[in-house]
Amino acid sequence: DTAVSQTPKYLVTQMGNDKSIKCEQNLGHDTMYWYKQDSKKFLKIMFSYNNKELIINETVPNRFSPKSPDKAHLNLHINSLELGDSAVYFCASSQGTGAYEQYFGPGTRLTVT
Amino acid sequence: AQSVSQHNHHVILSEAASLELGCNYSYGGTVNLFWYVQYPGQHLQLLLKYFSGDPLVKGIKGFEAEFIKSKFSFNLRKPSVQWSDTAEYFCAVNARSNTGKLIFGQGTTLQVKP
Repeated sequence: DTAVSQTPKYLVTQMGNDKSIKCEQNLGHDTMYWYKQDSKKFLKIMFSYNNKELIINETVPNRFSPKSPDKAHLNLHINSLELGDSAVYFCASSQGTGAYEQYFGPGTRLTVT
Repeated sequence: AQSVSQHNHHVILSEAASLELGCNYSYGGTVNLFWYVQYPGQHLQLLLKYFSGDPLVKGIKGFEAEFIKSKFSFNLRKPSVQWSDTAEYFCAVNARSNTGKLIFGQGTTLQVKP
């Protein structure tokens, strides 16, 4: 059974378009995250939700908007895509925000042309 | 600001060689420490973690790590690597706050030659 799933796995789109990435976890976790992995494989947190409440919002452009309809889902919508948004986006979840490991999804490779 | 530094960016070893990957963090408070591995084309998987207690922790696939508080370090070790250990290794730190925010090091690419 897939613990953290993301769709789509690959996303190729043109500059200026709007796209969404979906994430679902079936672990019963309370906390979900979005990370961005750049071309040098550096991972940086973007957002985190705990019980559908936004608790981390790093310095991410307003074009990025997360939405958590329920505890099991965290979607990422990106408006007006730019070349620099090309990256792999990972969703993760954890039991809580304390001393808990995070479980990562398979990633979505976004390519903006 | 918190940061994590991994000293080795690219390591090449032959099978059966011993491995040690360095990780240092900068944060004055109490931390939780993690090592994650990313095999080619796959998602991140947890190798091991340290929250408290014995500073020598054992993880999956024969990996272990030692937390040395005085050195702000959490180095990863394996006595004998295998070709299947070829992967990207990430050290990560999370301060004992309430956000769960993980700060990652820049990663180390390990290439094991058969």
